[in-house]
Amino acid sequence: KAGVTQTPRYLIKTRGQQVTLSCSPISGHRSVSWYQQTPGQGLQFLFEYFSETQRNKGNFPGRFSGRQFSNSRSEMNVSTLELGDSALYLCASSLDAGTAGNTIYFGEGSWLTVV
Amino acid sequence: AQKVTQAQTEISVVEKEDVTLDCVYETRDTTYYLFWYKQPPSGELVFLIRRNSFDEQNEISGRYSWNFQKSTSSFNFTITASQVVDSAVYFCALMVNYGGSQGNLIFGKGTKLSVKP
Repeated sequence: KAGVTQTPRYLIKTRGQQVTLSCSPISGHRSVSWYQQTPGQGLQFLFEYFSETQRNKGNFPGRFSGRQFSNSRSEMNVSTLELGDSALYLCASSLDAGTAGNTIYFGEGSWLTVV
Repeated sequence: AQKVTQAQTEISVVEKEDVTLDCVYETRDTTYYLFWYKQPPSGELVFLIRRNSFDEQNEISGRYSWNFQKSTSSFNFTITASQVVDSAVYFCALMVNYGGSQGNLIFGKGTKLSVKP
């Protein structure tokens, strides 16, 4: 069974640009969430999508956005990149069969460097 | 507010030693879930265990064991007879119940474990 797949794995962008990251969840998983990992702030929750709707959101500025498609695949976008956006962005998926506390499985992440 | 504290930033042991990684959590919710993840240098967070707040039984999986104590709000992780392949950053995480929806993970800062041959 394939795991969570994220693309691209590595990318370098310039300040002011925007970036789109892609995530394919584990087959059958309907909930997709995104996390940012930096050395200073650690792992922080960005947002979660279920059935193409954002269901939960962390404390990040509006430059961070996402969406989910009908096949549960998800993308996140960061506009007007800042140096502080350099991070590992992790996508995760869970089954979410109507109960809380499902196990969340993570992908390998997308390493973003902003120069 | 919810919070997870992993007081040990880095631990270094010699192969075959036992090592315990500490995790203390804070929440006012009565229903919550605790997780441990392992992060090797590749970046992927590898799921190790999930425990809900109503199940205080300790668990053993091979060389790994977990001790959940609600009285002290702790969920500690022990590796017995450590191996070099156990070298990684380990994260403890808390999830609270958002009225039946999935909820998000609140992570500790992680403990970097180095196992030397």
